Amino acid sequence: DQQVKQNSPSLSVQEGRISILNCDYTNSMFDYFLWYKKYPAEGPTFLISISSIKDKNEDGRFTVFLNKSAKHLSLHIVPSQPGDSAVYFCAASALLPDKLIFGTGTRLQVFP
Amino acid sequence: NAGVTQTPKFRVLKTGQSMTLLCAQDMNHEYMYWYRQDPGMGLRLIHYSVGEGTTAKGEVPDGYNVSRLKKQNFLLGLESAAPSQTSVYFCASSYSDTSGANVLTFGAGSRLTVL
Repeated sequence: DQQVKQNSPSLSVQEGRISILNCDYTNSMFDYFLWYKKYPAEGPTFLISISSIKDKNEDGRFTVFLNKSAKHLSLHIVPSQPGDSAVYFCAASALLPDKLIFGTGTRLQVFP
Repeated sequence: NAGVTQTPKFRVLKTGQSMTLLCAQDMNHEYMYWYRQDPGMGLRLIHYSVGEGTTAKGEVPDGYNVSRLKKQNFLLGLESAAPSQTSVYFCASSYSDTSGANVLTFGAGSRLTVL
């Protein structure tokens, strides 16, 4: 039973345009949601988080939106850059127990 | 500042052999984790620890054991390796960010192949 789902395994976007990565979850007890980026042969790196009491959080070119009623969150990258090409993981956690559950990832390719 | 360091980076084992993956963090984090990454499966939690001397099972604990004798180290053991344990293993430690989220810092990974 996958609690965090990323239904799009890949996404291709032109440089300068918006990239939108989506994530759905099933557990209504999740309190926090995070996005991680992963380059080949490296560990995942933290991008941005959002608490369940908010519906939007921004950090530079990255914005995460949370729709609790739909159990859906999305990551917007504007403008997209070639260096953003990576695999993006959505993750969620409940306060107790405090462990992070990951989705299967979406591979983003930003082309010139 | 090394962050999270995993050793070894690569290892090839034969079925039935045992080995230990070592994770070390220098950030004084209380929580540590072991995940495995497989194609199409994302990152799955094997075991985790909320402090020195404590461990708990994650989503896929079978076939693995862990120990946290020192706060900075978290060891993952395979007693009798199986081909199904061929994977990339990631260790992480965590802190709470300004929003209260439990943010994990990952190591670079250990690629294990079981023949």
